[in-house]
Amino acid sequence: EAQVTQNPRYLITVTGKKLTVTCSQNMNHEYMSWYRQDPGLGLRQIYYSMNVEVTDKGDVPEGYKVSRKEKRNFPLILESPSPNQTSLYFCASSFLQGTSGANVLTFGAGSRLTVL
Amino acid sequence: DAKTTQPNSMESNEEEPVHLPCNHSTISGTDYIHWYRQLPSQGPEYVIHGLTSNVNNRMASLAIAEDRKSSTLILHRATLRDAAVYYCILKTTGAGSYQLTFGKGTKLSVIP
Repeated sequence: EAQVTQNPRYLITVTGKKLTVTCSQNMNHEYMSWYRQDPGLGLRQIYYSMNVEVTDKGDVPEGYKVSRKEKRNFPLILESPSPNQTSLYFCASSFLQGTSGANVLTFGAGSRLTVL
Repeated sequence: DAKTTQPNSMESNEEEPVHLPCNHSTISGTDYIHWYRQLPSQGPEYVIHGLTSNVNNRMASLAIAEDRKSSTLILHRATLRDAAVYYCILKTTGAGSYQLTFGKGTKLSVIP
């Protein structure tokens, strides 16, 4: 089944303890992206990647890192998590077709992170 | 991405058609109109997209105004499973087109 898989789905951690949220897709998509969703603020893009070793900042990149060493994986790294990073996180992927306006995103099920 | 305006919430009776409106008066000629929905406790899922012509798929229909300044997502027979937040998004072509900016969407409630 074509899907985007995120792990962990739920995590409670403490301030400053480094953590990684993994994201993997099995559709051979070039483009991958991370979003966070907060009440009243909607979905905001954190980072995106257009291919292996190509990453760029989204709207809210502060406090996050990403890497794209393999096409299928796009982990989100919180080096020193803080309470304001408590949120629901979504990974998404898509092909990079010639007419990029038509690209359709497939989202993962989400990872709910709580930083105490 | 250009801005879209949607009602905060709508209600529909089960098995009746639902018309979800979206205004996008600043749309450019190459912007695609995308609709996604987010069911409770799930990630957003793609519903439909179009450029100029009306579009149909197994989930819904998309009606695009002739001037492209507005569009309507049509669910032909609402079911309880269609209760979700529906997002109307404009997606550009070219530089920066990989950003997908979600607004607050329309929360659709379906009444049994």
